[in-house]
Amino acid sequence: EVQLVESGGDLVQPGRSLRLSCAASGFTFDNYAMHWVRQVPGKGLEWVSGLNWNGGTVGYADSVKGRFTISRDNARNSLYLQMNSLRVEDTAFYYCVKSLEIFGVIIEYYFDSWGQGTLVTVAS
Amino acid sequence: EIVLTQSPATLSLSPGDRATLSCRASQSVRSFLAWYQQKPGQTPRLLIYDASNRATGVPARFSGSGSGTDFTLTISSLEPEDFAVYYCQQRTNWRLAFGGGTKVEIK
Repeated sequence: EVQLVESGGDLVQPGRSLRLSCAASGFTFDNYAMHWVRQVPGKGLEWVSGLNWNGGTVGYADSVKGRFTISRDNARNSLYLQMNSLRVEDTAFYYCVKSLEIFGVIIEYYFDSWGQGTLVTVAS
Repeated sequence: EIVLTQSPATLSLSPGDRATLSCRASQSVRSFLAWYQQKPGQTPRLLIYDASNRATGVPARFSGSGSGTDFTLTISSLEPEDFAVYYCQQRTNWRLAFGGGTKVEIK
């Protein structure tokens, strides 16, 4: 069974930094692209960032580009999100998300498994 | 950056009704579009990928169509468990994005 467990969410002041982690299990982690998606409670979904199986290809939403850095450690089955220069509008639940596998084919840019999320609150 | 616009924002229907949800892209995404369902307190569930392919375990009453800039998710006959929020999602290289969502509520 796929398990994705996020950690690192906290209450921080604007301008500060935070690092989120995601521990993955139940699948061959280094076969899959992984992503971070965030959601303000009661609002819509926002893709934040993603990277391919070895971290050689990464992407960011315009809203976080230059401030957030995604990375992975395949030896530790872990995904990370380093968040710098945090803003009030970064407040949200952050979900670790696994890319889709269907009929043995991995599709990097769709999502089939989600963690339960970690809450990041940016406020003074 | 490609923007996805979903309409309507809210759809008020009764069980057994047909639901038609729209997703429009600001520029062509070819067929690289997915649909997700999210119920309160749950994480999203993939329904449709590549515009028209049902994901594993998704009932046949869900269907997707479209290409380029205009896409539709159709639920042929609403079941009580289908009342939820639906999101479309596209990818362009490594720039992904969701639409704002359509809430399907009980009339």
